[in-house]
Amino acid sequence: AQSVTQPDIHITVSEGASLELRCNYSYGATPYLFWYVQSPGQGLQLLLKYFSGDTLVQGIKGFEAEFKRSQSSFNLRKPSVHWSDAAEYFCAVGPDAGNMLTFGGGTRLMVKP
Amino acid sequence: EPEVTQTPSHQVTQMGQEVILRCVPISNHLYFYWYRQILGQKVEFLVSFYNNEISEKSEIFDDQFSVERPDGSNFTLKIRSTKLEDSAMYFCASNRGANTEAFFGQGTRLTVV
Repeated sequence: AQSVTQPDIHITVSEGASLELRCNYSYGATPYLFWYVQSPGQGLQLLLKYFSGDTLVQGIKGFEAEFKRSQSSFNLRKPSVHWSDAAEYFCAVGPDAGNMLTFGGGTRLMVKP
Repeated sequence: EPEVTQTPSHQVTQMGQEVILRCVPISNHLYFYWYRQILGQKVEFLVSFYNNEISEKSEIFDDQFSVERPDGSNFTLKIRSTKLEDSAMYFCASNRGANTEAFFGQGTRLTVV
């Protein structure tokens, strides 16, 4: 069965600092991997996705993620966090882009001034 | 920018009542999905819908649930006889093709009392 683990429930970083959110997955075949962000009262917005090819993927809002098959990881990074990045971040895996996605428990990011 | 819209944003219903959650997917999208998130838990897949029929469903999606695309624009989730444990945020999503980005709506918060 597929599963996604986000080990950090809460993370607090200072504005301007770098950020890495961890995601580990278990999936039987080649996974489609995603990071979504959810701001309060908002829906899930796709930050980036990995289907195949280059293992370092660039997303919106300056985010990037690296797929490491050997570690079953897909960590999200940003070199310099802005206060507007405070939100909840979800990693997800699935057989395609929308169907039967399995989500992690989410990481709530807080940004200190 | 096109978006998936869900109505209502919040619905309160009595246990045992039927509820219909409504979604208007993006107009040229062909694949439709429902997910839910019980408070404090992970986002979970419920069902996918393509070509006017269910293509996949999870074990959560039992006989109490049904989906319908009654016209060319709406996609609905019906819960026949609500239980307390159906209280959750329900997200609708859609995409154009299986390998294209799935767009999520802002969700309907269902509270069963």
